[in-house]
Amino acid sequence: NAGVTQTPKFRILKIGQSMTLQCTQDMNHNYMYWYRQDPGMGLKLIYYSVGAGITDKGEVPNGYNVSRSTTEDFPLRLELAAPSQTSVYFCASSYSGDNSPLHFGNGTRLTVT
Amino acid sequence: AQTVTQSQPEMSVQEAETVTLSCTYDTSESDYYLFWYKQPPSRQMILVIRQEAYKQQNATENRFSVNFQKAAKSFSLKISDSQLGDAAMYFCALRGNTPLVFGKGTRLSVIA
Repeated sequence: NAGVTQTPKFRILKIGQSMTLQCTQDMNHNYMYWYRQDPGMGLKLIYYSVGAGITDKGEVPNGYNVSRSTTEDFPLRLELAAPSQTSVYFCASSYSGDNSPLHFGNGTRLTVT
Repeated sequence: AQTVTQSQPEMSVQEAETVTLSCTYDTSESDYYLFWYKQPPSRQMILVIRQEAYKQQNATENRFSVNFQKAAKSFSLKISDSQLGDAAMYFCALRGNTPLVFGKGTRLSVIA
């Protein structure tokens, strides 16, 4: 069981470039999430999805887009990268929305210069 | 809005001793869940323990236990018999009707 898989692990972008962070899970979880973690801070929710075809904004959605065409995949798109988007990005999934624990990917460290 | 506050940016503990990490939270919901996650230097997020707000009994997982004070909105984590492998960032998190909200974390060092 692979769990939650994120690619790439590291990436350096120039200002204004775009990229997609990939996330896939093989646990048949309905809920998926994208968080960002800035140095010395906790995780902040960017977007989440409660099922295929349904997405919702989190606390810090500006500059990002997501789609959920399948249960397994939840890619995060960065358009026109900015230095403020330098962060570690975590994808996570859970079976449901109550006390089900989140299963996290190993994170993507993104640097925008 | 739901908020989680961890007032101790850093803590240290001697190996084999006990340490308590503090967490307070705020929510207007009556039904919610609380979690502690561990993040070692590998960056992986690992669930340590969880507590349902409707349960009065404090959760326990081996050397890890919580002190859940619902009226005070406090959810502290106690680590007994601390081990070198316990050194990590610890995040307190709250889930109500919205996805998990995290505190800023406490960095725990374990001294041999």
